Amino acid sequence: GAVVSQHPSWVICKSGTSVKIECRSLDFQATTMFWYRQFPKQSLMLMATSNEGSKATYEQGVEKDKFLINHASLTLSTLTVTSAHPEDSSFYICSASNQRDRTDTQYFGPGTRLTVL
Amino acid sequence: AQSVTQLDSHVSVSEGTPVLLRCNYSSSYSPSLSWYVQHPNKGLQLLLKYTSAATLVKGINGFEAEFKKSETSFHLTKPSAHMSDAAEYFCVVSDDNDMRFGAGTRLTVKP
Repeated sequence: GAVVSQHPSWVICKSGTSVKIECRSLDFQATTMFWYRQFPKQSLMLMATSNEGSKATYEQGVEKDKFLINHASLTLSTLTVTSAHPEDSSFYICSASNQRDRTDTQYFGPGTRLTVL
Repeated sequence: AQSVTQLDSHVSVSEGTPVLLRCNYSSSYSPSLSWYVQHPNKGLQLLLKYTSAATLVKGINGFEAEFKKSETSFHLTKPSAHMSDAAEYFCVVSDDNDMRFGAGTRLTVKP
């Protein structure tokens, strides 16, 4: 149980275009979803936390207008990278947790590799 | 504020020999500590998690970690390395929804 999927697994786009990444919890209700970014050979950095039906809370230094996060349902959150540029190329990982089960266990998706040309 | 330090960025062992990946943490509260493994271009997989029960935590794939409060450590060990253990390992300290990742330790396993 507790499977999280991401789509697409990889995407290549031109500079200036927008890219949407989906994160789905397949067999549980994700009251909270998290978006992380990972640069090559570096650790994960939390970008934002979103609770279902609420606006996302962004970490310091993360541009909310550039990284749009929507968490409209208990099984789906989306991250849209708007007007992407080469420096946005990275590995994006989402995770999900169900706060109602009173644990802080986060279940991670497989990640999405974004390459901006 | 909480943080975690992984003392080695890269560890290399021979197949069949023991593995030790070191992690020290800093937390104002009783921490929840975890180890995750990440294979190339893959997501994270939870190896094990400490949540104030037994100090010696057994995880998947033969890994275990011991919580030592006096040393603020949570080192990951495995008695005998396998080629498939080659990956990036992250030590994580968490409190509620605040997860802080270590910088990661790359484990290389030589034949």
